[in-house]
Amino acid sequence: DTAVSQTPKYLVTQMGNDKSIKCEQNLGHDTMYWYKQDSKKFLKIMFSYNNKELIINETVPNRFSPKSPDKAHLNLHINSLELGDSAVYFCASRHGTNYGYTFGSGTRLTVV
Amino acid sequence: AQTVTQSQPEMSVQEAETVTLSCTYDTSENNYYLFWYKQPPSRQMILVIRQEAYKQQNATENRFSVNFQKAAKSFSLKISDSQLGDTAMYFCAFVTTQGGSEKLVFGKGTKLTVNP
Repeated sequence: DTAVSQTPKYLVTQMGNDKSIKCEQNLGHDTMYWYKQDSKKFLKIMFSYNNKELIINETVPNRFSPKSPDKAHLNLHINSLELGDSAVYFCASRHGTNYGYTFGSGTRLTVV
Repeated sequence: AQTVTQSQPEMSVQEAETVTLSCTYDTSENNYYLFWYKQPPSRQMILVIRQEAYKQQNATENRFSVNFQKAAKSFSLKISDSQLGDTAMYFCAFVTTQGGSEKLVFGKGTKLTVNP
């Protein structure tokens, strides 16, 4: 019944590794997002996709590459992980003109 | 620039009392949506209440209500009869379409503690 699901919930990895976070929504929403929440709890948008098309790329390093194989999925791949990438990453979705965003439960990424 | 300001980093309230969280925003747009999200320690982002800018009537959801002052660009959240489960981070946010693409812009949050 989960509306927006992210996997994994926790991810601990070493610097320099490549990792992916997966996101799926079963709400039939058109638009999906990735948000980053830093250590001070500030939430900022990274990417948005609408029907598999990239709409927003908010000055995110090239090491971050989103991929949307279909409208229900938006994955985030991160190359050459750095200590500063440690954060909580949230996936979210929104349907049409209904601006009620639905968030996943977040992925806590820790780079050591 | 589209910004959201929450001037109270932390607040506390006694159980059963009322507390108001402040939020101001800056936008040049006339039509937009405003939100309050709650993030408990579980870190789930939970939509508390939503307000359409074109509606003058303040939104209410059970114990939660807003005071929307469009001219002043103010959007405060009032929590009545505070409960221990209201302890959480509260984020004010609005949807902007500046630049032709819509995104949710957040304030830095207010950490609310409800004391027994």
